[in-house]
Amino acid sequence: GQQLNQSPQSMFIQEGEDVSMNCTSSSIFNTWLWYKQDPGEGPVLLIALYKAGELTSNGRLTAQFGITRKDSFLNISASIPSDVGIYFCAGTPNRDDKIIFGKGTRLHILP
Amino acid sequence: KAGVTQTPRYLIKTRGQQVTLSCSPISGHRSVSWYQQTPGQGLQFLFEYFSETQRNKGNFPGRFSGRQFSNSRSEMNVSTLELGDSALYLCASRLIAGGIYNEQFFGPGTRLTVL
Repeated sequence: GQQLNQSPQSMFIQEGEDVSMNCTSSSIFNTWLWYKQDPGEGPVLLIALYKAGELTSNGRLTAQFGITRKDSFLNISASIPSDVGIYFCAGTPNRDDKIIFGKGTRLHILP
Repeated sequence: KAGVTQTPRYLIKTRGQQVTLSCSPISGHRSVSWYQQTPGQGLQFLFEYFSETQRNKGNFPGRFSGRQFSNSRSEMNVSTLELGDSALYLCASRLIAGGIYNEQFFGPGTRLTVL
């Protein structure tokens, strides 16, 4: 079945650094979604993308829908301690109504 | 607008018992999906219901079942609980399944512990 490859699996960064993570698929996707999950809570939707090439920002977060429709990336600028958590990418494949999730990127921020 | 709500938030059961979890979607949302999340694992898709019909199904044994009511509220049932069923069970809702806009919103989850 369709899968999303999300990388890296985990990241250790210093506070104030910029972060970049991405998600790739072997098939075309119509929608890309990015979520953040805090421990013990449900994932929270950060950004939704619906058009190839679309670049959308939400505060310090920026995400892009890849031109090939097979990838997406999420950037976090000037990281702060509350950015710690697991970031999931998700998307709907072309001609399908399922939502497929990546395995997540766990972000750690060093003091 | 209220978000997705799940009850109960925490549950402790013993092996062999059965459990029912409840989810109320965002008002107006007709699709409800269920996921299992265990430590170190991603989100494992259980099933999705839309207009009271199971639309999509993941690879879980028949002990896991669900249903959706006419008001879009959904329940998930796990029979003959096993230790490995201990997990955070997440419910998520979206407006419809297969539409143009697929923003899916999650509830806070039900933490199930099987002893």
